Amino acid sequence: AQKVTQAQTEISVVEKEDVTLDCVYETRDTTYYLFWYKQPPSGELVFLIRRNSFDEQNEISGRYSWNFQKSTSSFNFTITASQVVDSAVYFCALSFPGGSYIPTFGRGTSLIVHP
Amino acid sequence: SQTIHQWPATLVQPVGSPLSLECTVEGTSNPNLYWYRQAAGRGLQLLFYSVGIGQISSEVPQNLSASRPQDRQFILSSKKLLLSDSGFYLCAWEQGLNSPLHFGNGTRLTVT
Repeated sequence: AQKVTQAQTEISVVEKEDVTLDCVYETRDTTYYLFWYKQPPSGELVFLIRRNSFDEQNEISGRYSWNFQKSTSSFNFTITASQVVDSAVYFCALSFPGGSYIPTFGRGTSLIVHP
Repeated sequence: SQTIHQWPATLVQPVGSPLSLECTVEGTSNPNLYWYRQAAGRGLQLLFYSVGIGQISSEVPQNLSASRPQDRQFILSSKKLLLSDSGFYLCAWEQGLNSPLHFGNGTRLTVT
């Protein structure tokens, strides 16, 4: 079955610490897409990044970086020098042709950054 | 620019009452539309999705229904609410498959 596992339910850090959110996925398809979304306390999910299965280059955007490794079926998200505003629930998602490209979400990781 | 509107923001309804949540998208045409529910455990459960007017796919059998009367309008309904229908309902759209989803602000529904 195609699915997304975010094993970390909640992570608590102190401001300026680096933190990595794990995402492990399962799919039989060779073509698929991976996403990360952020849900701040206000509730609206915000898109952060999309990566297709043929692009294993890591990506950096400011303090955010993503490490995609097909060998371990992981798409991990690292926040460098965390800030209080990073406090949110973060979701990893997968879409694939076998599922009509309907996104499947992980259960989310709640990140709490203390000042 | 594209925007998505979802209302109401909060709703308290008694068990057995009807429900109607509305979602509209502006600034795009023929979007794929989604309804998700987020219960206390935080996971996102896909309820319905639509690839066009009148085309609704249901992911979970339940007492909820969805309709898409216009290209950019997506409505979630129920004839009789259950306590288990309480949750945070999110509408989302995408412009084509594999595009990022854009979410509305959500409706927090409490069934009493």
